[in-house]
Amino acid sequence: DSGVTQTPKHLITATGQRVTLRCSPRSGDLSVYWYQQSLDQGLQFLIQYYNGEERAKGNILERFSAQQFPDLHSELNLSSLELGDSALYFCASSVGRTANTGELFFGEGSRLTVL
Amino acid sequence: KNEVEQSPQNLTAQEGEFITINCSYSVGISALHWLQQHPGGGIVSLFMLSSGKKKHGRLIATINIQEKHSSLHITASHPRDSAVYICAVRVGNTPLVFGKGTRLSVIA
Repeated sequence: DSGVTQTPKHLITATGQRVTLRCSPRSGDLSVYWYQQSLDQGLQFLIQYYNGEERAKGNILERFSAQQFPDLHSELNLSSLELGDSALYFCASSVGRTANTGELFFGEGSRLTVL
Repeated sequence: KNEVEQSPQNLTAQEGEFITINCSYSVGISALHWLQQHPGGGIVSLFMLSSGKKKHGRLIATINIQEKHSSLHITASHPRDSAVYICAVRVGNTPLVFGKGTRLSVIA
């Protein structure tokens, strides 16, 4: 158990819909990272928050947004869903501001299927 | 742009064999991570290193900064080691760049 909790584990929805994925980081970790893993792309970095503020942004679509709340949990919002958004979405946390300053702890992932 | 190449893409081994997975990258890095992804999808961080060598149980990770190369070794492999092993690197404060992974199957 990494200490990182992601919900829901599985989600099936239709094109055009909006979903919210939730992540609770490991106790004491201030950084939360979101990654997308699709079958043909491998892991892709989406966005990072550190202590409530956006720290780094990857190739995150404009239809996607995220935030980190005062209690440090984070939510990833995916809207106007397309078939190609079907993927595993991982959250990871670390103590420091960057992935250089400590080990990354991953959640179990949320598997999104868009029909 | 930093490219991360892993080899081999797929690897099948007999139980007990010594296994090596390689990772090469194209630019100087500040840190390299080795991750293990289980068949169910969960990801576990195995190592983070920026120089030298680290060992944890039957797993050993090495990195050669000059050659821009890292290896992950598994000694006395076991079927429970079957997983996808992913190398990821970071340059300065930029986000992690991931390799495509090496799928390992260990047969009893």
